[in-house]
Amino acid sequence: GQNIDQPTEMTATEGAIVQINCTYQTSGFNGLFWYQQHAGEAPTFLSYNVLDGLEEKGRFSSFLSRSKGYSYLLLKELQMKDSASYLCAVMDSNYQLIWGAGTKLIIKP
Amino acid sequence: EADIYQTPRYLVIGTGKKITLECSQTMGHDKMYWYQQDPGMELHLIHYSYGVNSTEKGDLSSESTVSRIRTEHFPLTLESARPSHTSQYLCASSASGQGAGSYEQYFGPGTRLTVT
Repeated sequence: GQNIDQPTEMTATEGAIVQINCTYQTSGFNGLFWYQQHAGEAPTFLSYNVLDGLEEKGRFSSFLSRSKGYSYLLLKELQMKDSASYLCAVMDSNYQLIWGAGTKLIIKP
Repeated sequence: EADIYQTPRYLVIGTGKKITLECSQTMGHDKMYWYQQDPGMELHLIHYSYGVNSTEKGDLSSESTVSRIRTEHFPLTLESARPSHTSQYLCASSASGQGAGSYEQYFGPGTRLTVT
């Protein structure tokens, strides 16, 4: 079956750095997405990786290793507004998104 | 302004009622999707469409139907609501073609449905 695993919850301190991991097993691979979802709101796009390596976009970076079925989202200089759930999703061979349950990130002052 | 809209935002309804959740987008996207999401859980694809008169079922059987008569409109209908349908329903759209710019899905604000 298809499976996306990510930690349920993480806590970090304002101004610090946090890494949210995602491992996947899917039928085919056409890219990995990270979305941010604030409580009660819709998911918003953060990043897309289809080749191995690190993609940096401001305070957020995303890494992919296809051979290991592994990705991480790195958030630097954490701000209180970064408190949200971070969803990992993989596009399978049918170009459908398979979603993880999300990692709830709690930022403390 | 290009956007994706869902109505109603909140709905409380009794068991056995027929309901339609509306979704419209002004993004000019061909592809549209309906997801169901319970709190703290993953999104489950209910239905999707790749264009007018094209609809497919996703991996979650929710006893619902969809139609795609116009590119911008993708309503979801529950013929007979049950308490197990209580959830958040998210509509999304994406462009056609290849690559990140086409694969990225844009989400509406969601409809929170409660069936009593």
